[in-house]
This record gives sequence, C-alpha cells and structure tokens, in this order.
Amino acid sequence: ILNVEQSPQSLHVQEGDSTNFTCSFPSSNFYALHWYRWETAKSPEALFVMTLNGDEKKKGRISATLNTKEGYSYLYIKGSQPEDSATYLCALNNAGNMLTFGGGTRLMVKP
Amino acid sequence: GAVVSQHPSRVICKSGTSVKIECRSLDFQATTMFWYRQFPKQSLMLMATSNEGSKATYEQGVEKDKFLINHASLTLSTLTVTSAHPEDSSFYICSATDRDRGIYGYTFGSGTRLTVV
Repeated sequence: ILNVEQSPQSLHVQEGDSTNFTCSFPSSNFYALHWYRWETAKSPEALFVMTLNGDEKKKGRISATLNTKEGYSYLYIKGSQPEDSATYLCALNNAGNMLTFGGGTRLMVKP
Repeated sequence: GAVVSQHPSRVICKSGTSVKIECRSLDFQATTMFWYRQFPKQSLMLMATSNEGSKATYEQGVEKDKFLINHASLTLSTLTVTSAHPEDSSFYICSATDRDRGIYGYTFGSGTRLTVV
C-alpha cells in the first residue's frame, strides 16, 4: 500500500495571505502526481498533473512544484481569497491508471 | 469540459436492502471508470476499476459480491451495494477517463453519501 501524506490537515488563513501545503509520496516507480481542488458537494476539480522532476505549473494564483527524487510536491496559493476555501487533494499515479490519494488539506480563508 | 453526473447525492437505506449508485459521462466516452470510498477523516480509497465491457478489477479487501459494478456502456457505470449494513455507510465517488486523455483526464462525479440504518 502506497503512503501519500499531506500536511497540514487543515489551515485557516486571512484573505490576502499566501499559503502552501505539502504532498509527500514514495519516490520509487513514480509516474505522475495530481492536484485537485474539492469544494463541498461538488466534484473534485483537476488543477495540475505533473510528471517530470522539477516541474513547475501555474494556474492563476495557484502554482505547484514537483520533486520526484525526494518524493514531494508543494502547492502554493498567492493572495488567498475566500473562494479558495476548499480541500486540496494530491494523488499519485505509480502504475497503470490507478490513483492513490493523500488525506487532503482543508483550507479556510477568512474575509 | 468533461462532466460526470453521479446520482443519488445522498441515500438512506435500511439494513439488508440494496442500493444502486449511477455515474454517467455526459460528453465523453468513459472507457475506464474508477470507484472510490471515503470513510470519515480518511482519504479516498480505490475500490475497483472497470473497463467498458469487461469485468471490474477489485482492490484487495473489497468484496466483489457485495459491491457489484456494471460498466456495460461507454457512458454509464453503476455500483450496487448489496445487502447493505451500517458498516457500509460511507461516501462513494466515481471517476472516469477515456483512451485519448488517459491520466490527464480523470473526471470525478460529485459523490454519494450512503447511510445504512
């Protein structure tokens, strides 16, 4: 069983703060790392799929980096807004199609 | 963009009855469908993978006779929880992709909260 860990489990920030969370995973047999944004009662929304060591991806105020050799990925949110409040999931592809998820980081942004 | 519609969003059933959860891909052909379960304060755990027209592949510890998966068409997959018991109460969610998008195209449903009383 793969161990995909996310930290912190939850985070409260003020509007305008920048924040980041971590996803750590086994570095062996790495294929891809996914980040999702999941709001309550909605479908998880794909943010990034990252495959190469050193990958950096950006989508508006959200960006992510990947280190496959040491087995971690960071997700950054610049200037958090209340609408960024959600659970952020990372998931590892290491073989075939299946994803192994971390436990998520629940972000709450206060106005 | 690709959309997967999952129904029902919530269901309460009596112990011993069966419950069917549906996932439909609305604008793409879901060649592969994944079913996940999430218990409180835990991560999404893969239960089974199904390819259209084939039998589902179940993860270790998931009873195939209890969790029946049907993926008979490219737009519909169903999960039936048979003879449900309170310990089956959980959050169930599907995810689908197609041959073209592969790992770049996992599209999730919005999940089903099952409560067995």
